[in-house]
Amino acid sequence: RKEVEQDPGPFNVPEGATVAFNCTYSNSASQSFFWYRQDCRKEPKLLMSVYSSGNEDGRFTAQLNRASQYISLLIRDSKLSDSATYLCVVNRYSGNTGKLIFGQGTTLQVKP
Amino acid sequence: EAGVAQSPRYKIIEKRQSVAFWCNPISGHATLYWYQQILGQGPKLLIQFQNNGVVDDSQLPKDRFSAERLKGVDSTLKIQPAKLEDSAVYLCASSLDPQTSGGWTEQYFGPGTRLTVT
Repeated sequence: RKEVEQDPGPFNVPEGATVAFNCTYSNSASQSFFWYRQDCRKEPKLLMSVYSSGNEDGRFTAQLNRASQYISLLIRDSKLSDSATYLCVVNRYSGNTGKLIFGQGTTLQVKP
Repeated sequence: EAGVAQSPRYKIIEKRQSVAFWCNPISGHATLYWYQQILGQGPKLLIQFQNNGVVDDSQLPKDRFSAERLKGVDSTLKIQPAKLEDSAVYLCASSLDPQTSGGWTEQYFGPGTRLTVT
């Protein structure tokens, strides 16, 4: 079983739709959580951190459920420019440093 | 501010040949990472340097992969000899020292080197 699991999709949605991505992680030693965005043939870039209380950044809302080891990302009012692969990432601490573990990514295609 | 630089951007080699990749991190970033990203998968950490010392190389296939960061700045990753399954994008990332920030600071990725082994 992979340490971080995501539905690879693709998710094909029309502009303006709301779409949700889910992610589960298996290692309870994971201490911090993130969503990264990766455009086709580009490098990953940090989209947002994920907190237990839930956090919002414009049209994006991230949520963490530590008890269920579950992370989500909600995108409202999808734009064409949101088309990308969204990577769920956990930071597993070891000693006094961390190691990022990436999921395989969920591909989103927003269509006009 | 200049980002993480990598070269070459693309490389095609035959199996059993050798290849080397170069990375120049963001100025002032003490920590440097090499990741391997196979098509359809997320990046996988190969090796992490703190200045010129290795912090984590547990997933580096040491029989064929090697990496160094001699002066604590630039780094090279070498594969010798290459196998077909090494075809992937090799991403370099850098960050400030995570040990001074509770175990995490944002990692900034370079554009990657796309390796094809035939």
